Formats: sequence, C-alpha cells, structure tokens
Amino acid sequence: DVKVTQSSRYLVKRTGEKVFLECVQDMDHENMFWYRQDPGLGLRLIYFSYDVKMKEKGDIPEGYSVSREKKERFSLILESASTNQTSMYLCASSISGVQETQYFGPGTRLLVL
Amino acid sequence: ELKVEQNPLFLSMQEGKNYTIYCNYSTTSDRLYWYRQDPGKSLESLFVLLSNGAVKQEGRLMASLDTKARLSTLHITAAVHDLSATYFCAVDGSGTYKYIFGTGTRLKVLA
Repeated sequence: DVKVTQSSRYLVKRTGEKVFLECVQDMDHENMFWYRQDPGLGLRLIYFSYDVKMKEKGDIPEGYSVSREKKERFSLILESASTNQTSMYLCASSISGVQETQYFGPGTRLLVL
Repeated sequence: ELKVEQNPLFLSMQEGKNYTIYCNYSTTSDRLYWYRQDPGKSLESLFVLLSNGAVKQEGRLMASLDTKARLSTLHITAAVHDLSATYFCAVDGSGTYKYIFGTGTRLKVLA
C-alpha cells in the first residue's frame, strides 16, 4: 500500500512565524503535491513537484514556498504565516505521468493566531 | 479556465434509498477521478474513469463518465450509514499535472 505521511496532524502557530510542513511518501513516486482544503472551496493546488529539485506553482502559490531535496520528501514552507493561511493542508503523491491517481496523506490542520 | 462543479453540495438521505451525485466540468478531459473523505481524514481514491462511456462499480457505488457531455455521475444504490462521507470528483488539467477538484458533496445517510 502507498503510504503518505505528514509530520503533524495539528499545528498552532503565531502570525509572522515561519512554518514547515513535511510530507514523506514511501512508494518511490516521482510526483508530489501540496493542496489546501477550505470549506466550500474544495481542494486547491499550492505547488507540485515532478522530480527532485523541480517545482511548479499551482493555483494559489502566494505566501508559500516548497522544497524537494530528496525524492521521498516534499516540504511546504509558509515564510511568514498569516491568519488567512489557517487551513487543512494535504500532501499527495503519484507515479510518473500526468494522469495517474494521486494518493493523499492524512492532512495537517494548521491554525494561525 | 477549467472548472468542476458538483451537485448537490449537501445530501441527506434515508438508508435504503438511491441517489445520484453529479460532476460537471468545463473543458475537455479524458480522465475523471472520484475520491471519498471521511470526517477528519484524508482522501481515498474510489474510481478512475478513463474514457467516454466508462463505468465502474464498487459495492453500492457506481460511477460513469460521459466526456461529450462533460459529466460524471456517482450513483448510490440502497444507501447505508457507512457511506456517509464527503465525495469529491477531480479532473486532470488536460495533459498537465494539475487536478481540479470539485467542491465536494457531503453525504449523510440517516438510519
């Protein structure tokens, strides 16, 4: 079974803090994705990566950056957290190719005060 | 811009009843995905529909795809409480890595 893990299930941070969300997958997938999920808005893609050290902006990259130094790990960074970044963050991975099923991690619920 | 719309957004139904969730999308796409999300949990893949006319069934759920109408349906037969969850459809962005998700349909099956 594909396993995608995220470093924290719940996180509380203060405005202005730098926040790191970590995602690790154990199936040697090439593609990794970060989404945020908000009520009434579904899932929105923040960034994705199709290879080590490669990254592409999704639909809402503002205020976020990512890092992929190793194939299995994809980090989402909030450079200076703001209250409007309070959300559920979901990581996903898939094998190489543009039309493959994505497998999701359990999510990190982030609260920015 | 590719848009994906689901309806209804909320669905409360009695056990034993049938119902259909609809997923409309705005541009050409060859694949459509259905996911399930239980409260507080992540998304679980249900179906991948690969081409026009594709139909997949798993237990009480059946999904179909009409690419000409840009419509997918998720049909629930004889609903049971365990099907209570939020269901998302997603469409790939035509040869890109991007999925565009619908807003989800929150299903509640009443005993």
